[in-house]
Amino acid sequence: DTAVSQTPKYLVTQMGNDKSIKCEQNLGHDTMYWYKQDSKKFLKIMFSYNNKELIINETVPNRFSPKSPDKAHLNLHINSLELGDSAVYFCASSPLGGPRWDTIYFGEGSWLTVV
Amino acid sequence: GQQLNQSPQSMFIQEGEDVSMNCTSSSIFNTWLWYKQDPGEGPVLLIALYKAGELTSNGRLTAQFGITRKDSFLNISASIPSDVGIYFCAGSLIQGAQKLVFGQGTRLTINP
Repeated sequence: DTAVSQTPKYLVTQMGNDKSIKCEQNLGHDTMYWYKQDSKKFLKIMFSYNNKELIINETVPNRFSPKSPDKAHLNLHINSLELGDSAVYFCASSPLGGPRWDTIYFGEGSWLTVV
Repeated sequence: GQQLNQSPQSMFIQEGEDVSMNCTSSSIFNTWLWYKQDPGEGPVLLIALYKAGELTSNGRLTAQFGITRKDSFLNISASIPSDVGIYFCAGSLIQGAQKLVFGQGTRLTINP
């Protein structure tokens, strides 16, 4: 079974649309993240949640709104999509506390193309 | 923002050769992690390092956490075709928010 799963894997949409990416982890982790990978493969954190509570918001435009209904799920909703939003979005999770909190496990990615 | 300097950016080697890549930073890191990303997939954790000076192996892979806490290297011995991919270092700052900072990646290409 996939530890961190996200859907859809591929998404092509027009500018101005609203879209969501869903993520679920079955690792029992308390912390979940959204990372963005640009065309140069640079990975940068967008958000992190601990037990449904927002911990990190890395100056992401407010068109991006994460939602965590429970600690196993973290969804990403994007309003009014722009061309520059085209990227790969990775969901990830890690355990809370202790020396291993920063051992992050990634999903397979969602390839978003805005046309 | 804080960045890690990862080098080289790309490598072209022959199958069977050894590979070495490293990451450096001007800041002190609490943890160093090495990931590999295959085309169309997410990064997969290879090795995690938690103590300065720690040397850890995972099969043909060996990584070390630098004594100064500002650098780490990854070695791959006797490369094989499935080693092709992008390798990322990542670290968590010793003081800072709960997030990882990633290097720019090393793209490894192997000629059979």
